[in-house]
Amino acid sequence: SAVISQKPSRDICQRGTSLTIQCQVDSQVTMMFWYRQQPGQSLTLIATANQGSEATYESGFVIDKFPISRPNLTFSTLTVSNMSPEDSSIYLCSVVTGTKSTDTQYFGPGTRLTVL
Amino acid sequence: QQQVKQSPQSLIVQKGGISIINCAYENTAFDYFPWYQQFPGKGPALLIAIRPDVSEKKEGRFTISFNKSAKQFSLHIMDSQPGDSATYFCAAGTGNQFYFGTGTSLTVIP
Repeated sequence: SAVISQKPSRDICQRGTSLTIQCQVDSQVTMMFWYRQQPGQSLTLIATANQGSEATYESGFVIDKFPISRPNLTFSTLTVSNMSPEDSSIYLCSVVTGTKSTDTQYFGPGTRLTVL
Repeated sequence: QQQVKQSPQSLIVQKGGISIINCAYENTAFDYFPWYQQFPGKGPALLIAIRPDVSEKKEGRFTISFNKSAKQFSLHIMDSQPGDSATYFCAAGTGNQFYFGTGTSLTVIP
């Protein structure tokens, strides 16, 4: 299993500012994922972050808006840049552990972002 | 194309009843089918998962039924309790890539 912590747990930000969300895992993992969950909606994958390489972004998400860092195998950050009210959402960090035959996905508690 | 379809969107069950949530998937290469439980203000928590080599998996009051030929799987919550009231997500995938259903909001009435 994996225990994931995120900081901050919630924040209220002004339009045009940026917020960096931190994700810490209690074990080394190759791949970390960042999801967005808008109110009452399912989870949407933003990007996949591998240590030592550029993050891979899903359609509709770009690096300038959501820069990601992955300095080591237990930590990642997601920055939401130049925020607008449409960015209000829960942002979730996730990891997959295990070998291919036993891959299991775990989620952090999420960061609830409100943009005014 | 939506890879995983989940129904119903919402469900109300009496305490002690059986809650059933259904999911269907498209890609026959998927080999891992988890269910997540999410309480308000919390991240999704892995509840139970199944792989296609078995047709059913039971953990306590939670059971996954899996029909490989129909590409469908379902979550059954036996003896549903008010504490089970949450949003449930199914997912399907392989390796590091998973696709999520749209979620089912379950309310268990005392």
